[in-house]
Amino acid sequence: AQSVTQLDSHVSVSEGTPVLLRCNYSSSYSPSLFWYVQHPNKGLQLLLKYTSAATLVKGINGFEAEFKKSETSFHLTKPSAHMSDAAEYFCVVSDVGTYKYIFGTGTRLKVLA
Amino acid sequence: EADIYQTPRYLVIGTGKKITLECSQTMGHDKMYWYQQDPGMELHLIHYSYGVNSTEKGDLSSESTVSRIRTEHFPLTLESARPSHTSQYLCASSDRRAEQYFGPGTRLTVT
Repeated sequence: AQSVTQLDSHVSVSEGTPVLLRCNYSSSYSPSLFWYVQHPNKGLQLLLKYTSAATLVKGINGFEAEFKKSETSFHLTKPSAHMSDAAEYFCVVSDVGTYKYIFGTGTRLKVLA
Repeated sequence: EADIYQTPRYLVIGTGKKITLECSQTMGHDKMYWYQQDPGMELHLIHYSYGVNSTEKGDLSSESTVSRIRTEHFPLTLESARPSHTSQYLCASSDRRAEQYFGPGTRLTVT
C-alpha cells in the first residue's frame, strides 16, 4: 500500500539560508513522486515531480528534490530561502498508471526576516 | 497558471440547504478529482472521474455526489448541507503525464 510521511509539520528558516523539507514514502510499485506548494487561500501548485527519470529533479522557484530509493526518501531542498517561500508544502506519491494520489500531512514553512 | 476554475470561492449557507460547487477545466483532461481539506490538514480524495459518465467514490466517505456529463465540467452537490460539511473543497484534473492541476478551492461554511 502507498503511504507518505512528512517528517516535520513546521519548519522555520531565516531568509537566505537553506531549506530542507523531508518526505519518506512507501509504494509497492514504481512510484511517481511530487511536491506541491499551497499559499494561503490558494489552490496547490506543482513544484516538481519524479517519474523514474533522473533521480535529482529540478523544479520551479529554485527548488529541487532527490529520489533515494534505498532510503525511500524524496526530500525537498532550496539553497536560499526567500520570504515568498513561506507556505504549506505537500509531498505526494502515486503508483504509475493509477488514479490514486496519496498526500502527506504537509509541512508549514516559515521564513524569518 | 492552470486553467481550472472553481465557483464560488467562499460560501456560507444554512443547514439543510442544497448546494452545488462548480469546477471547470479547459485543458481537455480526462481525469478529474474532488478533495476535501480541513484547515492545516492533508487532502482527502472524495470523488474522481476517468471521463464522461464515469465517476467513483474516493477514499474518504462523503455524502456529496458528483456528475460528469461534459469533459470540462465536474460539479459536486450536497443535497442537504450540515455543519460537518464545513471544509475546503479542492478540484483537480490530471494529464497523461500524471501531473495534477488544482483549482483555487471553495471554502464552505455551513451554519
